Amino acid sequence: DGGITQSPKYLFRKEGQNVTLSCEQNLNHDAMYWYRQDPGQGLRLIYYSQIVNDFQKGDIAEGYSVSREKKESFPLTVTSAQKNPTAFYLCASSALGGPLHFGNGTRLTVT
Amino acid sequence: GENVEQHPSTLSVQEGDSAVIKCTYSDSASNYFPWYKQELGKRPQLIIDIRSNVGEKKDQRIAVTLNKTAKHFSLHITETQPEDSAVYFCAASGSDAGNMLTFGGGTRLMVKP
Repeated sequence: DGGITQSPKYLFRKEGQNVTLSCEQNLNHDAMYWYRQDPGQGLRLIYYSQIVNDFQKGDIAEGYSVSREKKESFPLTVTSAQKNPTAFYLCASSALGGPLHFGNGTRLTVT
Repeated sequence: GENVEQHPSTLSVQEGDSAVIKCTYSDSASNYFPWYKQELGKRPQLIIDIRSNVGEKKDQRIAVTLNKTAKHFSLHITETQPEDSAVYFCAASGSDAGNMLTFGGGTRLMVKP
């Protein structure tokens, strides 16, 4: 969906470094979300935001941080406190009560 | 919170056969049940969804059924084609906040030509 842009597509980092994943949407959606997907597994919610300047922890928020300074943007920082950060990260947005629209994802590899 | 179980984890069918994927959920207040299809290396895409005020919804070869009493819902794909091969995820929205979706673990569908 061209309305949600995640960058970069692939990201490599050394252990101990913080890294920020970008997510931008031009769908005028109020809600935005970050999910983590591990190989062969489902999607687990990291953080979500339903309005600017407010966000809530999901099921696996430890070691991650977010900000929502603008409606269009919801960056995710993977901190050095995240014990197993290598994964595929998906950003999504929705109108409140509407279906999720996903970005193309960022594949993060930490060595 | 909501818990969604999905079965089977893998499903292999012959082209032209039907495929059925089943999900159960725990929160009786959940009222929205979407299904997503994810092709290898791509984003999940919504293929069909159902709300709790209906028991069945159909879109061409795809249908979803919902049994609120039993707290389970199913995806039915008829006349399967090789391009249906993908991972399918069910999800349910709990009652706690907005439309927070809890996803099932996914089903890898393989359609053999």
